[in-house]
Amino acid sequence: DVKVTQSSRYLVKRTGEKVFLECVQDMDHENMFWYRQDPGLGLRLIYFSYDVKMKEKGDIPEGYSVSREKKERFSLILESASTNQTSMYLCASSAPGTAYTWDTEAFFGQGTRLTVV
Amino acid sequence: AQSVTQLGSHVSVSEGALVLLRCNYSSSVPPYLFWYVQYPNQGLQLLLKYTSAATLVKGINGFEAEFKKSETSFHLTKPSAHMSDAAEYFCAVITFTGNQFYFGTGTSLTVIP
Repeated sequence: DVKVTQSSRYLVKRTGEKVFLECVQDMDHENMFWYRQDPGLGLRLIYFSYDVKMKEKGDIPEGYSVSREKKERFSLILESASTNQTSMYLCASSAPGTAYTWDTEAFFGQGTRLTVV
Repeated sequence: AQSVTQLGSHVSVSEGALVLLRCNYSSSVPPYLFWYVQYPNQGLQLLLKYTSAATLVKGINGFEAEFKKSETSFHLTKPSAHMSDAAEYFCAVITFTGNQFYFGTGTSLTVIP
């Protein structure tokens, strides 16, 4: 069974702390994603990576950075946590589509609910 | 840019009634479209996907969706709602590069006994 695993289900951190959210996939997927989910806003893409050491900004990258040193692992870093980063964070992975077929899908982890106090 | 719009952030149906969740896409070419479901405090799970093989797509748990190019729609339906269908549902589209997924704002489905 395919699996995307996020290291924590729930986290409580203090304002100003550096926070690491870890995500590991066992499907040998090239693409990995970090989304943020807030009520009424759906899923918003923070960053994605299409290869080791490669990253692209999504729609809301401010206040976040990412690291992908190994193909299976994609980390989201909050450099200095703030209360407006309290949210549900979802990691996903996928095989890339191609010019001839986009028959792919995103597989999601269980999510990390982060509270910044 | 490709995007999807979900009409109705909350939908309530009675148990046994038809479920209809709406999704419209914005694209100049037929896209690849997806419906995902999210149960409370869980990640997203794929319900079904449209990959141009057939316009009527059947998914898990009795759900299906029909791709209508003339209406730029990909609405999700289920003939008879079950209590276990209560969840949040997301429509999504994949970008032309085949590498990014963009999601709608979600529709929360409530099933009334």
